[in-house]
Amino acid sequence: DQQVKQNSPSLSVQEGRISILNCDYTNSMFDYFLWYKKYPAEGPTFLISISSIKDKNEDGRFTVFLNKSAKHLSLHIVPSQPGDSAVYFCAASTRGGSEKLVFGKGMKLTVNP
Amino acid sequence: DAGVIQSPRHEVTEMGQEVTLRCKPISGHNSLFWYRQTMMRGLELLIYFNNNVPIDDSGMPEDRFSAKMPNASFSTLKIQPSEPRDSAVYFCASSSRTGNEQYFGPGTRLTVT
Repeated sequence: DQQVKQNSPSLSVQEGRISILNCDYTNSMFDYFLWYKKYPAEGPTFLISISSIKDKNEDGRFTVFLNKSAKHLSLHIVPSQPGDSAVYFCAASTRGGSEKLVFGKGMKLTVNP
Repeated sequence: DAGVIQSPRHEVTEMGQEVTLRCKPISGHNSLFWYRQTMMRGLELLIYFNNNVPIDDSGMPEDRFSAKMPNASFSTLKIQPSEPRDSAVYFCASSSRTGNEQYFGPGTRLTVT
């Protein structure tokens, strides 16, 4: 049973517009959430994270929103750039517990020039 | 600074052969993780070490898989005997704090024929 779900496998947006990537989780014990970006033939790279004590975290063009009651988080990229084209993974952990990260299956973002 | 180093980058072997994947974590990191990525299952944690001690190996698929971390700067993941269904990309990651960001290596693409 998947505890972290990225239900849309792909998203295509125009350069300069907003990209919104969604993620749902089922385990209410998760209290720390991360987004990773992955280019082909490379390992995932950390992008941004959020603790469950917050509902928003911003870093430049990237903002992550957390809705604990809905067990939902989203990553907003604005403005989107062609270099943002990659696979994005949502991940979650119980920070007070083990160090395990549980990953979603990923979403492929394509930003068209 | 050097990131996580994995070798080999590509491995092609025949069914029944032993395969050894290697990882050098980032210096100073005390946690090391082995992941496997497949189309069907996404990115799944196989095993992780903290201070060279295996903490959770519940993701190791079966006895054919084994992992060791003889010191803080080296880990191996061994598959013996290998099977075609083991074909996947294997990632190693390391982190410096509990529940915090993990830094991934470039991965080893394993093909078992």
